[in-house]
Amino acid sequence: DTGVSQDPRHKITKRGQNVTFRCDPISEHNRLYWYRQTLGQGPEFLTYFQNEAQLEKSRLLSDRFSAERPKGSFSTLEIQRTEQGDSAMYLCASMGAELAGGLNEQFFGPGTRLTVL
Amino acid sequence: GEDVEQSLFLSVREGDSSVINCTYTDSSSTYLYWYKQEPGAGLQLLTYIFSNMDMKQDQRLTVLLNKKDKHLSLRIADTQTGDSAIYFCAERKSFQKLVFGTGTRLLVSP
Repeated sequence: DTGVSQDPRHKITKRGQNVTFRCDPISEHNRLYWYRQTLGQGPEFLTYFQNEAQLEKSRLLSDRFSAERPKGSFSTLEIQRTEQGDSAMYLCASMGAELAGGLNEQFFGPGTRLTVL
Repeated sequence: GEDVEQSLFLSVREGDSSVINCTYTDSSSTYLYWYKQEPGAGLQLLTYIFSNMDMKQDQRLTVLLNKKDKHLSLRIADTQTGDSAIYFCAERKSFQKLVFGTGTRLLVSP
């Protein structure tokens, strides 16, 4: 399977614990996005990487959240001191190099569902 | 704000047409998308429309765009039970990031 993969698929944690999620994009894709989807809502943008550079962060990304993409391949999203409000599906998407005037489709992974007790 | 709005729920009978509506925010958006989300599966791009188009047809799917009213619709012809899912419209913003609507849950009954 050469699609976007995410690990773990499910994570249950207690409030106050730290969690880390991993995203492996499609191998030749240099752009990577993280989104968060809460129940009954559409996905909301969190952050964007082009290669290893984090170029944009949403105001949703509080100082408890940190994302990295150290070698421009896989990415990790860490949440420190989790709160019940962090319970959501965390989605990763990747995209190839930008094509001028092109579709530039994002391919989404299956997501990591986080439950904070 | 960045609210892309959709009606929450649509119920149709198999074989009927479904029309899902969306109101987006940015008249300068170049690409508008429709995604499908099924339980346990990732978001799947169904179709898209470029802002200089009024209509796009792709097999059973027809997308209509009214730029003046910032209104987008997705029509599914001959709706099947396998079309039951949540449908999201999305507009493309800076760095190609997507702003999604709240989603419309489509239920197709036999």
